[in-house]
Parts: sequence; C-alpha cells; structure tokens
Amino acid sequence: SQWGEENLQALSIQEGEDVTMNCSYKTYTTVVQWYRQKSGKGPALIILIRSNEREKRSGRLRATLDTSSQSSSLSITGTLATDTAVYFCATDPGNTRKLIFGLGTTLQVQP
Amino acid sequence: EAAVTQSPRNKVAVTGGKVTLSCNQTNNHNNMYWYRQDTGHGLRLIHYSYGAGSTEKGDIPDGYKASRPSQENFSLILELATPSQTSVYFCATSGTGGGDTQYFGPGTRLLVL
Repeated sequence: SQWGEENLQALSIQEGEDVTMNCSYKTYTTVVQWYRQKSGKGPALIILIRSNEREKRSGRLRATLDTSSQSSSLSITGTLATDTAVYFCATDPGNTRKLIFGLGTTLQVQP
Repeated sequence: EAAVTQSPRNKVAVTGGKVTLSCNQTNNHNNMYWYRQDTGHGLRLIHYSYGAGSTEKGDIPDGYKASRPSQENFSLILELATPSQTSVYFCATSGTGGGDTQYFGPGTRLLVL
C-alpha cells in the first residue's frame, strides 16, 4: 500500500478548536493534495503543496510537507461545524497524471 | 454551474443486469477518471482516459468497462452487475499536467440486488 496506518482516522472536536491531520506515504510524489468531502458530495481540493514547498497556507488551512520523512499534515484553526467532512490526502507518484488517495480522516466538529 | 455531472444519481440494478453510468464535463479536460468509494477502502481507481477514444485500466478494473466517445463524455459499464459492485461511483476530470487537481462529480449511488 502507498499509505501508512495513520491515514485512516476519526476525530471529534468542539467548534473553535484547532485540529491537525496527518498523512504518510511510501513512494515519491511531486505534490500532495488535500481534498475535503462533505456528506453526499464528491471530494474537492482545498489545498495543494508541492515537493519544493515546506508549508502552504490558505485561510484557516495550513499544509506542511516533509519529503525526507514522506509525510504531510493538514491543520485547521478555529474549526467550524461546517468543517465536518472526510479529509483525504492524495499523491502523484512519478508524475503519472493519476492520484493515489489515502483512506481519509473523518472529522466531526460539534457546534 | 456544475462542471462535472453524473447520471443517474441513484440506481438499483439486478444481479446479472447491465448498468451504464455516465459522466459529462464542461471543463474541457483531457483526463477523466472513474472511482468507486467504499467504507474502509477510500477512493479506488477503476478506469481512466487521456482523451477521446482512449481508456486505460486502473487499479480495480475487473468487472468494469469504460468508454470515452468524446472529450466531454466518459461512461462506466457493468456488463454483468454483481452485489459486490454495490458502491458509490465518482467521476473526475483533470488537466494534462502531472499532479493536476482532480474535479469530481457528485457521485452515483449504485445498489445491486
């Protein structure tokens, strides 16, 4: 498998808390993409970080990438109930035009 | 306006029957993909296409065929549906660059009885 065991998680937190999700992968990638999937919808990209970047921010989102340990994290600050979703990381090993998706982290934010 | 649409959104089929899932895009993307999503397995790639007339096998192609008659349309065909193919199916598109973002449709929920 492409993924480490921490790629399947379920988290439940209170609104306003900060949360960090982790993703480890086993093969080289040029990019790590983070997708969010809300109930009954398709996944949608929320942040993308390339192999030459260590950190990327977008609003309340922060992604990190450590190519030496082949791991990435997604942090959300000041969570809202609307952040409730499944979060996937995805890698592109070998620039193949295909993505490999992790198993996802289910995040429940209680209002 | 949705750029990737799927039809039908819900489908009940009988074992042994033929099922066709359709995907249409207005992104003008060359690459299109079919995934299935099951609890505990995440998104798994079934078939994909690099352009009209081309189809490629993904990671779990057995029991599925694909057809890409045009830039806009990509179909997934289950010739002989089985209960193990009960799942949620997603179509996605992307540009030609490596690591490009994928844009997903809303999904089709298929139940095979």
